[in-house]
Amino acid sequence: GENVEQHPSTLSVQEGDSAVIKCTYSDSASNYFPWYKQELGKGPQLIIDIRSNVGEKKDQRIAVTLNKTAKHFSLHITETQPEDSAVYFCAATPNSGNTPLVFGKGTRLSVIA
Amino acid sequence: KAGVTQTPRYLIKTRGQQVTLSCSPISGHRSVSWYQQTPGQGLQFLFEYFSETQRNKGNFPGRFSGRQFSNSRSEMNVSTLELGDSALYLCASSSPGLAGVKGYNEQFFGPGTRLTVL
Repeated sequence: GENVEQHPSTLSVQEGDSAVIKCTYSDSASNYFPWYKQELGKGPQLIIDIRSNVGEKKDQRIAVTLNKTAKHFSLHITETQPEDSAVYFCAATPNSGNTPLVFGKGTRLSVIA
Repeated sequence: KAGVTQTPRYLIKTRGQQVTLSCSPISGHRSVSWYQQTPGQGLQFLFEYFSETQRNKGNFPGRFSGRQFSNSRSEMNVSTLELGDSALYLCASSSPGLAGVKGYNEQFFGPGTRLTVL
C-alpha cells in the first residue's frame, strides 16, 4: 500500500521568512496530494491540493509542487506570519474518489515573531 | 452551514472498558471517515462509511468498529480499551457530489474526541 514520508518533523522560521515542507510517496498510482493545517484544538483543514496532472499550484502565500518522477511533493509558505504556526500534514491517495487518504506524520511549524 | 461535530470532545476511560464516539457530518454529506491521531503515528485511517455501508477499512483490530445511520451520522466503538488506544479520534465527512467538480472528495474534519485510557 501507499506510504508517505514527511520531513522535517519540526520547523522554526523567523516571521517573514519562507518555510518548505517535503513529502515523498511510494505508490506511483497516487494522483491526489492534499495538504492540511491543524491548529491547536482543531481538526485538520485543507489548505491546498494538487493533482498528478499539474506540476505546481499556488494560492496567495502558499504553493505546492509535485515531481511525479521522483515521487515527491512540497509545500512552500512565503512571508510567514505567526498565524501560520500549526501542524501541517501532507497526504496522498492512489485513486481519486473513494480510496482513503494516507497521511504523513506531520510537521510542526513555529513562526517566531 | 454547520461543520462536522463530534461528541464528546473529551473522554476518560479505564482499561477493559468500551467507548462509543459520535460524529455528525456536514448536512448533505453521506461519507464519513474515522481516523486515529497519535503523536508517534500521525493520522491513521480506521474506516469509512457511505450510505450506511462500510466502504473502506484500515489496519486496526476488530475491537474497533463503526456504523452509520440513515441520517449519515456515524458512531465508532472501541471495546476492551487498552492504554495504547489513547488518542485523538477524528471524523471527516465528504460529499461524492463534489468529486465530479474537484476530482476528489474533499474531506472536512471535525475537532475530534480526545480519548484517554487509564
